[in-house]
Amino acid sequence: SQTIHQWPATLVQPVGSPLSLECTVEGTSNPNLYWYRQAAGRGLQLLFYSVGIGQISSEVPQNLSASRPQDRQFILSSKKLLLSDSGFYLCAWGQGAQGAFFGQGTRLTVV
Amino acid sequence: QKEVEQNSGPLSVPEGAIASLNCTYSDRGSQSFFWYRQYSGKSPELIMSIYSNGDKEDGRFTAQLNKASQYVSLLIRDSQPSDSATYLCAVNEGQTGANNLFFGTGTRLTVIP
Repeated sequence: SQTIHQWPATLVQPVGSPLSLECTVEGTSNPNLYWYRQAAGRGLQLLFYSVGIGQISSEVPQNLSASRPQDRQFILSSKKLLLSDSGFYLCAWGQGAQGAFFGQGTRLTVV
Repeated sequence: QKEVEQNSGPLSVPEGAIASLNCTYSDRGSQSFFWYRQYSGKSPELIMSIYSNGDKEDGRFTAQLNKASQYVSLLIRDSQPSDSATYLCAVNEGQTGANNLFFGTGTRLTVIP
């Protein structure tokens, strides 16, 4: 069966510091991979999606970036965090039209 | 701009009642529709998917889709306190190979014992 791992679960970072969140998927090949952000009281916002290694599309321009160095690895990064980057970050995988399956999420607080 | 609209609630129902959750979407090209349940502090969990007009039943859950009206709903029969959560509607844009999902802001459901 497929599983998705995302870490860390919680993170507190100062403004201006870098960020790296990692996500890996097991039990499937060539999945679509997604990064979403959920701000307090708001819906899930699609940040990036990837259909293959090195293929990244951005839905929202911002100071975040994503990379997919391996088929089942997806990384979300920032060089300098802003206060507005605080939120619940969710990695997800999907294939075809079956929907997306989420990792446990990372709650990021920028202070 | 693709939009998925939900009533934010909160929606309160007594235990054993039917909870009805609604969602509308703006993109007529949307092809796949999903309901997720999200407990407080947790990640969303896929509970229902529907692809064609009509009803789809799975246990106590029934999803209903009307593409002409751009409307999708979720009915929860015999509601239990454990059903208390935020329910997210998601729509697959269907226009690209990535099958991106766009989410509503969710409806918070409280089932009162």
